[in-house]
Amino acid sequence: GIQVEQSPPDLILQEGANSTLRCNFSDSVNNLQWFHQNPWGQLINLFYIPSGTKQNGRLSATTVATERYSLLYISSSQTTDSGVYFCAVDGSGGGADGLTFGKGTHLIIQP
Amino acid sequence: GAVVSQHPSWVICKSGTSVKIECRSLDFQATTMFWYRQFPKQSLMLMATSNEGSKATYEQGVEKDKFLINHASLTLSTLTVTSAHPEDSSFYICSARRGGISEAFFGQGTRLTVV
Repeated sequence: GIQVEQSPPDLILQEGANSTLRCNFSDSVNNLQWFHQNPWGQLINLFYIPSGTKQNGRLSATTVATERYSLLYISSSQTTDSGVYFCAVDGSGGGADGLTFGKGTHLIIQP
Repeated sequence: GAVVSQHPSWVICKSGTSVKIECRSLDFQATTMFWYRQFPKQSLMLMATSNEGSKATYEQGVEKDKFLINHASLTLSTLTVTSAHPEDSSFYICSARRGGISEAFFGQGTRLTVV
């Protein structure tokens, strides 16, 4: 099956800093999503981005499908940005398949 | 976005009993729903694909007789953990898509503790 690797596994930053999270995947994908998992476990949809670039406030994401990677940018970090960020993909086998998740990046924003 | 609701949010049960978890798509119809499991400090792993009106498809290594899935309508899928044991304690979370290849939305998750 498709492999998803996220880096870095852990990231500690001061409030106000910028960060870049990376997601590499091993095969063509129909779907790529970024999530933020809050302390209660809920997955918050950040971006649905199988290709191209999107921005939402302080967050933006870019997926280069031909090179099989995606980047999540967080600017002017706030303590509320802390948590685990997951990248998940759906392979291009056709139809609606479940998502394969990376192991996540654990982000800690210190005041 | 779309709303997926999961119930209960947490449950504690005795070893040997069964627990049912519900997953509902509130504002759209979902012919396919998905069930995932997440152990502490680990990633989410797909357990099974729930298909409305037909049998669920289970991922390798997932016991279909232990994790019973029923997708009785276009808005409801249920996961029943049968004869639960402490090793079944985990965070279970469902997801659904509006249709085909599209953005997936997740329920709030259910934290199951078997004592």
